[in-house]
Amino acid sequence: QQQVKQSPQSLIVQKGGISIINCAYENTAFDYFPWYQQFPGKGPALLIAIRPDVSEKKEGRFTISFNKSAKQFSLHIMDSQPGDSATYFCAASPQGGSEKLVFGKGTKLTVNP
Amino acid sequence: KAGVTQTPRYLIKTRGQQVTLSCSPISGHRSVSWYQQTPGQGLQFLFEYFSETQRNKGNFPGRFSGRQFSNSRSEMNVSTLELGDSALYLCASSLTGTPYNSPLHFGNGTRLTVT
Repeated sequence: QQQVKQSPQSLIVQKGGISIINCAYENTAFDYFPWYQQFPGKGPALLIAIRPDVSEKKEGRFTISFNKSAKQFSLHIMDSQPGDSATYFCAASPQGGSEKLVFGKGTKLTVNP
Repeated sequence: KAGVTQTPRYLIKTRGQQVTLSCSPISGHRSVSWYQQTPGQGLQFLFEYFSETQRNKGNFPGRFSGRQFSNSRSEMNVSTLELGDSALYLCASSLTGTPYNSPLHFGNGTRLTVT
């Protein structure tokens, strides 16, 4: 059972455009929602994260929007750059404090110059 | 500060063999988690150790095992390798056991190929 559904699988945007990646979750026990960025040959790196007590979090060009009632959250990349080309994973962590992240299957983003 | 170090970077093994992967966490981090990454299944949680104790385990067969040493370094072992075990194995460390105030830091992984 896939607990975090991520879409789209792949995304192509032009430089300067907005990239939007969506995730939906089922488990209401999730209370931490990070996004990870992974470049080829590298491990995932934490990009930005949000908790359900806020609806939006912005860090530079990256924004997470969170809709608790719909159990959905999304990543917006403003002014997308070729250097943003990577695979992005949303994730969720259940309550309990253990280091178990449930990941979406990833979105491969390509930003054309 | 050095990041998470995983060795070796690449491994090629034959079906039926066993393999041991190593992970050195960031200095001071006491929690180490292991994830399997494949194109079809994405990132899947294997297990998590904190202060040498396994606190959480994913839905993998008993052929997958791990341990953590007193210096927080961790190893995972896969016995009786199957073709489907071919994957990138990622280790992640964090300070404590709470993701939202102690983010996971991933290593660059060990690429295991089973032939």
